[in-house]
Amino acid sequence: SQTIHQWPATLVQPVGSPLSLECTVEGTSNPNLYWYRQAAGRGLQLLFYSVGIGQISSEVPQNLSASRPQDRQFILSSKKLLLSDSGFYLCAWAQGWGETQYFGPGTRLLVL
Amino acid sequence: GQQLNQSPQSMFIQEGEDVSMNCTSSSIFNTWLWYKQDPGEGPVLLIALYKAGELTSNGRLTAQFGITRKDSFLNISASIPSDVGIYFCAGRINGGSQGNLIFGKGTKLSVKP
Repeated sequence: SQTIHQWPATLVQPVGSPLSLECTVEGTSNPNLYWYRQAAGRGLQLLFYSVGIGQISSEVPQNLSASRPQDRQFILSSKKLLLSDSGFYLCAWAQGWGETQYFGPGTRLLVL
Repeated sequence: GQQLNQSPQSMFIQEGEDVSMNCTSSSIFNTWLWYKQDPGEGPVLLIALYKAGELTSNGRLTAQFGITRKDSFLNISASIPSDVGIYFCAGRINGGSQGNLIFGKGTKLSVKP
């Protein structure tokens, strides 16, 4: 069966520091991968998605970037965090384009 | 762009009561999904609907794909405390970036024992 992991679970970072959040998927190959941000425990905002290694699409302009160095690894990064980057970051995978998405456990980021 | 209107935003109910929430859109969707998110965790898929008029149950949960393909509802019968969480609807139309899921803003459910 497929599983999705996110690391770390919680992160507290100072403003201006770099960021790297990792998402890995097991039990499937060539998945579509997604990064979402959820502020204040409510709606999901799609940040990035990837349909393959090295292929990244950005949905909203922002202070963050994403990379997919391996088939089942998706990384969310920032060179300099802003206060507004605080939130709950969710990674999701889907078997194909438009298929049901399955979410990871999330990473809670607090920027101080 | 396409939007989903999910209502109500929040609900405060007594244990044992039935719950109903819905999502509507001005666009036609090919798929409707319902997720539940427990506090501090990722959303978990509850029910997936693929055909107009489809009615699907998962335990005490029942969801329907509206025949106009522009709406869906989720019902929870005889609520219990562990039903607490945020429920999201999500819909999908095919083609391009529109093939990605579009999420509602969520219904926050609180259950009083």
